[in-house]
This record gives sequence, C-alpha cells and structure tokens, in this order.
Amino acid sequence: KQEVTQIPAALSVPEGENLVLNCSFTDSAIYNLQWFRQDPGKGLTSLLLIQSSQREQTSGRLNASLDKSSGRSTLYIAASQPGDSATYLCAVREETSGSRLTFGEGTQLTVNP
Amino acid sequence: DTAVSQTPKYLVTQMGNDKSIKCEQNLGHDTMYWYKQDSKKFLKIMFSYNNKELIINETVPNRFSPKSPDKAHLNLHINSLELGDSAVYFCASSRGVWRSSYNEQFFGPGTRLTVL
Repeated sequence: KQEVTQIPAALSVPEGENLVLNCSFTDSAIYNLQWFRQDPGKGLTSLLLIQSSQREQTSGRLNASLDKSSGRSTLYIAASQPGDSATYLCAVREETSGSRLTFGEGTQLTVNP
Repeated sequence: DTAVSQTPKYLVTQMGNDKSIKCEQNLGHDTMYWYKQDSKKFLKIMFSYNNKELIINETVPNRFSPKSPDKAHLNLHINSLELGDSAVYFCASSRGVWRSSYNEQFFGPGTRLTVL
C-alpha cells in the first residue's frame, strides 16, 4: 500500500528565504507526482505536475524535483513571500491505481514579513 | 470561468438525514473524483468516474452513493448521516485516466459538511 510522507509538518521562515519541502513515497511505481497548495478554508490549487519520466518542473519561483527510484520529491520555493503561506500537499498517482491520487499530510508553511 | 464548482459550500445537518453535494466541471474533462478531507486535513480518494462509469470505489460505507448523470457532473448522495461523516468533501476532475499524460487533477473549493 502506497504511503506518502511530508517533512516537515510545519515550517516558519522569514520573508525572502529560500526553502525546501520534502515528500517521500513508499512505492516507486508511480505514474506522476503532483504538488498542490491549499489555503485555509479553500480548495486545492495545482502547482506542478511531474511525470515519472521527468526529473524536475519549474513554474516561476517554484521548482519541483522527482527521484522516482528513491521515492522522493522536493519542492523548492525561492525568495519566499508572505503570500506563499499555505499548506503544501504532494500526491502520487500509482501506475496500477487508475486515476487515484494518494496524498501526504502536508507541510504548513508560514512566511513572516 | 472554467473551473470545478461544488454546491453547497457549507452544509450543516442532523444525524440520520440524507443529503447531496453537487459537483460540476466545465473543463471538458472525462474523469471526476470525490475526495474526503478529515479533521486532520488528510485527503483520501472515495470515488472516481470516467465518462459516467465508476472506476474507483474505495472502502466507503454504502451510505455514500455517487451519481454521474453526464461526464460534466458527479454528485455525492449520503444517506443516514453520522457524526463521523463530518469533513470537507472535494470534487476534482482530470482530462484523462489510466496511462494518460493529461492526468493533472483540478479541485473544486470543497464542501464543509457538519453533522450534529
């Protein structure tokens, strides 16, 4: 059974810092990995999708990497801003699970001005 | 606006009642999903439909019944509501299924269900 773990559970940083969020998964037979952002009381916003054949994806100040064989992904946020404060979730889609995503429990990020 | 929409946003009801949550997507996607986010913020798949056909049915009480009248809609009906059903329910959609590169999932804003 696939398990997704995110470390740390919570992170508080001053504005302007570069930071890394970690995601690990137990079964490396994944089709892709997706990073989401969830603001309090809101839905999920898709940030980046990495196919299993890719090593990284970039969007603006965000860079996500994937090491499928070791079961790890990182989300790098450059020059963090208070508006980046949210919960960040990673989710994997397994090769044999149809379309379902298996989520980690998230990292709650606070960027202090 | 192109999006995944859900109604209602908030639903407060008594134990034992039957309620429905509606979901619609105008993204032209073929696959729709229901996820449940519990009090610990953990998201878990419940159901998935592709072109109105059920393809994922997790271990969910049979009081929960999804219905897809067409591929743009996936509604969730819950019978005999229990306290433990209180959670936020998210609808999502994606263009493809199985071995498809178009599998990015887009989520609705969620429905916060509170059972008293």
